[in-house]
Order: sequence, then C-alpha cells, then structure tokens
Amino acid sequence: NFMLTQPHSVSESPGKTVTISCTGSSGSIASNYVQWYQQRPGSAPTTVIYEDNQRPSGVPDRFSGSIDSSSNSASLTISGLKTEDEADYYCQSYDSSNQGVFGTGTKVTVL
Amino acid sequence: EVQLVESGGGLVKPGGSLRLSCAASGFTFSSYSMNWVRQAPGKGLEWVSSISSSSSYIYYADSVKGRFTISRDNAKNSLYLQMNSLRAEDTAVYYCARDNGGGLMVIYYWGQGTLVTVSS
Repeated sequence: NFMLTQPHSVSESPGKTVTISCTGSSGSIASNYVQWYQQRPGSAPTTVIYEDNQRPSGVPDRFSGSIDSSSNSASLTISGLKTEDEADYYCQSYDSSNQGVFGTGTKVTVL
Repeated sequence: EVQLVESGGGLVKPGGSLRLSCAASGFTFSSYSMNWVRQAPGKGLEWVSSISSSSSYIYYADSVKGRFTISRDNAKNSLYLQMNSLRAEDTAVYYCARDNGGGLMVIYYWGQGTLVTVSS
C-alpha cells in the first residue's frame, strides 16, 4: 500500500523558516497532486496548499509547496514563522487504485 | 461563502448503523466532487470515501468497503454516508470536504465535523 511519511514534529523560533517533508513509499509522488492541510488544536483542518504548490485565497504567501522527484517527496515550507502557525500539518495524495492517502502528520511548534 | 455542515453523528452500538449528512451551501453543489474524511481521537486524518459530481465515480477506503455507502442528492445540495456494521475502530470525527473542481481528491473546503462513537 502507498504511504506518505512525515517527520513526527518540527520546532523553530518565530520569524524563522521550517520545511516539512512528505515522502512517498513507492511509485512517483509527482504522478498525482499533493495537498497540505493545517489543523489547529480543537479545529477542523483547512487547506494551505493544493495541487502541489497552489495557495487558496486567504493563505499567506509565507506558505509554499514543492515536489522533489529525485527524493520522491513533497515539501511544505513556512517562512517568517508566527505563533499562529503552531498546528498539525498533513500532506495528502492518492494512489494508483484511486484511494486517498494522508501523511502521518507533523506537529509544528513555534518556540 | 462556502458552508459544509455535517449532522447525524452520535453514539451507536457495535454492529449498528448510522447515516451522516452534509448540507452544502454557497456554491454550485452539483459541479464538485465530495469526500468524507475521518479522524479517530488523538490520531491523524484518514480518507474514507469520494464521489464525483454526478455520482459516476465512487471510491472507498479498504477499511470501510462493503460497510459504508457514499451518496449525494444534487437537488438537495446534500452528501450522505450510510455506515453499517459499525465497529469500535470506526469511532472518529467525520468531516465532509469539497474538492477544488480540478484534480481527484484535491480537498479545498472542509466542514466542522460530526462525532461518531461506536461503543456498547
């Protein structure tokens, strides 16, 4: 089964930059779009990146997404880190049998 | 403003059934694929099922295939999830989510969720 693996947690100081990786277990992660979702404690998820690198309206340009085919991974980068960015982040795509797949999730802590 | 409002959650015994609903507003419901995603207490997100705009394409996670049925009523702007033979491991918050109108399972909007608890 296709899986997406993320680091369990990352932490950084306000104003710095963090990058969260999302590594595919097989196939090419570039074959299907990757999305990123933010989930603050006690709240529903929201979309911060869709179709690999697109930002929904209202999402600040501090959030960016990319694909690295050589490492079969996607990345979410948050620059100019703010305390409000403290949340869980999940990557998501789907596999060759059209089953949706979410990453394992990463907790971002703003020190 | 796009709104997705789930309902129908609650406490049910193992082996029981429950039907979740999602009322959509603020967009042309019949133009978008829809999804159900769940989250067990303290766990990560899990994709459950997706349905295309005209119900032509339907997909299920292996964990619910044969027990859950996704459907939609475009005239009523509503999405449904019929859940049968419920198990303790189906306990979760269930989110209704709308696609962006482009690629498969590209979630753009989320509802607030409804809690389903399966326990005797």
